[in-house]
Amino acid sequence: QVQLQESGPGLVKPSETLSLTCTVSGGSINNYYWSWIRQPPGKGLEWVGYIYYTGSTNYNPSLNGRATTALDTSKNQFSLKLRSVTAADTAVYYCARWTTVMTTFDHWGQGTLVTVSS
Amino acid sequence: EVVLTQSPGTLSLSPGERATLSCRASQSVHSLSLTWYQQKSGQAPRLLIYGTSIRATGIPDRFSGSGSGTDFTLTISRLEPEDFAVYYCQQYGNSPPWTFGQGTKVEI
Repeated sequence: QVQLQESGPGLVKPSETLSLTCTVSGGSINNYYWSWIRQPPGKGLEWVGYIYYTGSTNYNPSLNGRATTALDTSKNQFSLKLRSVTAADTAVYYCARWTTVMTTFDHWGQGTLVTVSS
Repeated sequence: EVVLTQSPGTLSLSPGERATLSCRASQSVHSLSLTWYQQKSGQAPRLLIYGTSIRATGIPDRFSGSGSGTDFTLTISRLEPEDFAVYYCQQYGNSPPWTFGQGTKVEI
């Protein structure tokens, strides 16, 4: 059974960089897209970006180039960095697996709350 | 960007009743690219329906999806107590961003 687990600081100061890691267990990184999705408190879901197992990436234009993702296949992990954060970046951040077979997010992490505050 | 608009925002029903949730896209969406998720309070979203009408593994047959083009529907034939939650539709296209609707809350 594939499981995803987010980890990283729960508090980030404004203008600094948010850094999160997702550890994938029970399955391989290969042949999937690995995404970050966030949810501000009490609001809906927003796709942040993805990294394919080959290393290609794509991001939500609404983030204005502030997001980057990376893969560490030796550890079965992928990561998110979001630069120059503001209070508007406060959200629960989920990592999720996208499968091209089902064309959907079929596995999600439990989510981690990141608060941007001084 | 494809904007998904879900209606109603809140659906107040009783167990045993039928729930009909709508998801309208700002432009035509391929039927393979429309997904529905269920989210309970404090939990991650859970995959319900993908490819417009295909139930994910373990999803009971009281959940069904339909639609095409710009109009899609999630139907819960007889609500069980565990079905009271927020439901999101989501689409992907040839170019990002992949987008979600704003959600429909099904409450008692």
